[in-house]
Amino acid sequence: DTGVSQNPRHKITKRGQNVTFRCDPISEHNRLYWYRQTLGQGPEFLTYFQNEAQLEKSRLLSDRFSAERPKGSFSTLEIQRTEQGDSAMYLCASSLRGAGDTQYFGPGTRLTVL
Amino acid sequence: QKEVEQNSGPLSVPEGAIASLNCTYSDRGSQSFFWYRQYSGKSPELIMFIYSNGDKEDGRFTAQLNKASQYVSLLIRDSQPSDSATYLCAVNFGGSGGSNYKLTFGKGTLLTVNP
Repeated sequence: DTGVSQNPRHKITKRGQNVTFRCDPISEHNRLYWYRQTLGQGPEFLTYFQNEAQLEKSRLLSDRFSAERPKGSFSTLEIQRTEQGDSAMYLCASSLRGAGDTQYFGPGTRLTVL
Repeated sequence: QKEVEQNSGPLSVPEGAIASLNCTYSDRGSQSFFWYRQYSGKSPELIMFIYSNGDKEDGRFTAQLNKASQYVSLLIRDSQPSDSATYLCAVNFGGSGGSNYKLTFGKGTLLTVNP
């Protein structure tokens, strides 16, 4: 049973560029979450998918952010026109509905916007 | 605003001692509670979850939940230097229609176990 995987692990970009991150959940998990974590803070919820449906988006997720989960498998998180304030660790987690919804995190993608 | 509060620490204990980590939360109707360990530069790793009042033990770890006091704690017995990490408390406050999903995290407590 492989865990949650995320790619890339690190991304350095210049302000104004677009970036896309990928998350592959644990294979049987039908729920997928994106969180963002900055230094000294706990992870903050961004968005949530149940299968392919995006059921909630945080107010933290401005219109520059978009997330998809086609076919209810992997998910992508895209940030358009990146800003320095977007620099953070982007964490993906997955869970199985009905199994306590215990969330397991991937290794994260660390984004640095110059 | 539903909040989770933790003492940021650092909490320093000698090797072999009991480390006690505490967390309070703002919503009495909260449903499930989680402790994650996070090493510097790494992602959170699940240690334990607890849903019911009382104690839950798993190896050297014991989670304690008191819903009336809105308090959850994590005890680490026989602390080891490898336990040195930030410990994150997370609460599932429950979603609309009773569905469970997002976690709300505290800022974490930095634990240092000294050899």
